[in-house]
Amino acid sequence: GAGVSQSPSNKVTEKGKDVELRCDPISGHTALYWYRQSLGQGLEFLIYFQGNSAPDKSGLPSDRFSAERTGGSVSTLTIQRTQQEDSAVYLCASSLSNQNIQYFGAGTRLSVL
Amino acid sequence: AQTVTQSQPEMSVQEAETVTLSCTYDTSESDYYLFWYKQPPSRQMILVIRQEAYKQQNATENRFSVNFQKAAKSFSLKISDSQLGDAAMYFCAYRSLYTGANSKLTFGKGITLSVRP
Repeated sequence: GAGVSQSPSNKVTEKGKDVELRCDPISGHTALYWYRQSLGQGLEFLIYFQGNSAPDKSGLPSDRFSAERTGGSVSTLTIQRTQQEDSAVYLCASSLSNQNIQYFGAGTRLSVL
Repeated sequence: AQTVTQSQPEMSVQEAETVTLSCTYDTSESDYYLFWYKQPPSRQMILVIRQEAYKQQNATENRFSVNFQKAAKSFSLKISDSQLGDAAMYFCAYRSLYTGANSKLTFGKGITLSVRP
C-alpha cells in the first residue's frame, strides 16, 4: 500500500479481554516498530522487528504483551487480559531498513473500560 | 540510555510569524540522528526534518530549519511564516546511528503548537 496501515482505528474493550492490533507496513520495508503513546508516559518504544525476528523486545511492559510478524510483512500486537492502564494509542512504523526513516501509521486508539 | 527533553508543553504563534520549539537531549554517543516529527489530530506522525550529528550544517526543509548545537546537546526547530496547517503536536526524537537493536526512536514528551489567525 501507499503508507503504513493500522487496524482497527479505534478499539473499545472490557477489562480482562484480549485484543489484537494489526499493522500493515509499507511494501518492501523490512524493519517494523511498535510504539505506545499515552498521556502520562508520552511515546514509548515497545518492540522492533527485522524481517520476522524481533531483536529488541525491551519495551514490552509485561508478559501480557506479545507481537509477531509473518512473511516479513503484517504484524500483530496482542494484549492479553487488558487493564485500564493499557488504554493508549498504539502506533506502528516501518522503514526500508533499520537505518532509514521510519514512516508511521495513524495508530489504534485502545480504550479499556 | 538516551533521553530527550521538551520542556515547553504548549506554544502559540501568530499566523505568518516565526516560532522556535526547543529540544535538548542527553547521550554518550558521538554519532546519531535527530528528528522533528509533527502529529496532527489525525494522529499520523509526519517527519518534518532530520539532522545527522556528524554534519555541522543545520538541516532546512522549506519553512522549517533547525539550530543544532552538538556541544550543548540542543536541537531546536524554527518554523518561519507559520500557517494554520502547522498547528499540531511536535515531537523531538533521537536515534542511534548504528545498526541493530538501537534503531528505535526515543521521543520527547512533545509540544502542542497552536497558530492564531
